[in-house]
Amino acid sequence: AQSVTQLGSHVSVSEGALVLLRCNYSSSVPPYLFWYVQYPNQGLQLLLKYTSAATLVKGINGFEAEFKKSETSFHLTKPSAHMSDAAEYFCAVSHTDSGGGADGLTFGKGTHLIIQP
Amino acid sequence: GAGVSQSPRYKVAKRGQDVALRCDPISGHVSLFWYQQALGQGPEFLTYFQNEAQLDKSGLPSDRFFAERPEGSVSTLKIQRTQQEDSAVYLCASSFDRGQPQHFGDGTRLSIL
Repeated sequence: AQSVTQLGSHVSVSEGALVLLRCNYSSSVPPYLFWYVQYPNQGLQLLLKYTSAATLVKGINGFEAEFKKSETSFHLTKPSAHMSDAAEYFCAVSHTDSGGGADGLTFGKGTHLIIQP
Repeated sequence: GAGVSQSPRYKVAKRGQDVALRCDPISGHVSLFWYQQALGQGPEFLTYFQNEAQLDKSGLPSDRFFAERPEGSVSTLKIQRTQQEDSAVYLCASSFDRGQPQHFGDGTRLSIL
């Protein structure tokens, strides 16, 4: 079984400060890992994905994440927070089936990012 | 281009009624997923289609939940004899093929009174 743990249901940072959202996973097979962002009353938008290529993954809107197998982590960072970054962020791991395909996603509970002016 | 479209956006039903939620995936996307998102929680996987075949329905919470995709395009999630605990946002996602990124619709917010 696969699972995702997001540390901190709420994270508050000042505008211009570093954003760090934590995600740890458990998986019995090499995982596919994803970060999604959700704005109020909207669906989820993919920020970035890790699929066993480079361990440092760059995504949209200046976000990036680093896959660390030894720590089973996939933390999301952004050097300088912007007011428009305020949203809910979800880390997810693929539900890899026995055939090796990446199918349904298992999500963490989410982290609400608050940007202080 | 058109994204994943879900209808209705909001649905209110009385306990015991049946409801049907529709998902129009992105044209050409083979894989289709349904998720349930309770208030303040992350989405939880319900079921997965590859074309018209339902390959995984392990996340459906009970036999009151039923999903279909008869022609490999539009999908419908049906909930029979709704209960208050069914209140949630139901998200649909599609992807070009297995292992490709999933694109999400805006969801249907279901409220059971």
